Amino acid sequence: AQRVTQPEKLLSVFKGAPVELKCNYSYSGSPELFWYVQYSRQRLQLLLRHISRESIKGFTADLNKGETSFHLKKPFAQEEDSAMYYCALKLTGGGNKLTFGTGTQLKVEL
Amino acid sequence: GAVVSQHPSWVICKSGTSVKIECRSLDFQATTMFWYRQFPKQSLMLMATSNEGSKATYEQGVEKDKFLINHASLTLSTLTVTSAHPEDSSFYICSVRGSNQPQHFGDGTRLSIL
Repeated sequence: AQRVTQPEKLLSVFKGAPVELKCNYSYSGSPELFWYVQYSRQRLQLLLRHISRESIKGFTADLNKGETSFHLKKPFAQEEDSAMYYCALKLTGGGNKLTFGTGTQLKVEL
Repeated sequence: GAVVSQHPSWVICKSGTSVKIECRSLDFQATTMFWYRQFPKQSLMLMATSNEGSKATYEQGVEKDKFLINHASLTLSTLTVTSAHPEDSSFYICSVRGSNQPQHFGDGTRLSIL
């Protein structure tokens, strides 16, 4: 069965420091991966998806099929990056269902 | 602006009551709507997937008679928690998806059963 693992519940970094939020997945098919972000008191929203290969708000994520990882990175953290981040896996041919990781709370301190 | 409207945002009711939660797609026709449940400090768990005009597909372990889903139009889906009990207290979130669109999420509904 498919699974998404985010090993860190909380990640605390200082402003200006690099950030890496880890995500590993297990899936026998061809995965499509996403990062969603939830800012305080706001709805869950799409941050980026691996097929777009884009940088959003300075964040990037590369799919590494060998390591089955999709880590989210940003070279210099900003205070407004503090939020809850969820990694999600979409099953191909699975009715577009998403399987979410347990989420990582990112806290950027001054 | 918001793509998905979910209502109500918070409801408190007595045990045994049935509660209806609405999810509306504001900007596009939602071919598929999803209902999730989230317990405190835990991830979103998919409950069911609904396509307009057809019966919802429930995930394993989700009681379809307990959580009634109606997707009568391309812009509206409802989740009714029937005869709610305290263990049904949770955060319920809907998401919508149109053709070639990623999922857009609602603000969620916090359900508290006394």
